[in-house]
Amino acid sequence: NAGVTQTPKFQVLKTGQSMTLQCAQDMNHEYMSWYRQDPGMGLRLIHYSVGAGITDQGEVPNGYNVSRSTTEDFPLRLLSAAPSQTSVYFCASSYSADQPQHFGDGTRLSIL
Amino acid sequence: RKEVEQDPGPFNVPEGATVAFNCTYSNSASQSFFWYRQDCRKEPKLLMSVYSSGNEDGRFTAQLNRASQYISLLIRDSKLSDSATYLCVVIPSGGSYIPTFGRGTSLIVHP
Repeated sequence: NAGVTQTPKFQVLKTGQSMTLQCAQDMNHEYMSWYRQDPGMGLRLIHYSVGAGITDQGEVPNGYNVSRSTTEDFPLRLLSAAPSQTSVYFCASSYSADQPQHFGDGTRLSIL
Repeated sequence: RKEVEQDPGPFNVPEGATVAFNCTYSNSASQSFFWYRQDCRKEPKLLMSVYSSGNEDGRFTAQLNRASQYISLLIRDSKLSDSATYLCVVIPSGGSYIPTFGRGTSLIVHP
């Protein structure tokens, strides 16, 4: 039972570098989303997708891009890393937008 | 007013105690409600959905009060292993379907 798989689990970047956080799910879920979680801020939605080929912005989309070419994969790209993007990133999926989501283990990202 | 509000706590209770958390929401069109549990440095995990008529799962009871726009979680006979942060999630109707998470309530159960 893989569920939602995120890679990498940890990453350190320098300011200005770009990278892609991977997220894959094997539950045939249509709805996928990316959150960041910072101390005292709770989970904030970055981007989400209601199905392959469809993405939309969440609460804090600036500095991030997503794509959804397949049902299974929903990568998150940091275009030019900034220290303010230091956070824990969670990918989540569900059958539909109004159903409870399953979360990946998270990626702990530090930007120096 | 924040869309979803929770008392951050911490709630510090002895083993065996009963403890309750509330979560208020501002969007009256909200249609789906859930409670998640999050352990330190781990991912949130679904604890239970919240149904209009209220629902129970073992020691946990969830209730919805639409008139006052809040959901509640009651934990009976608290265990040390219940120590965690409890997040409420509210999903609106009307097409946006963007879940809003509360910031969580911290529970510490001590011997």
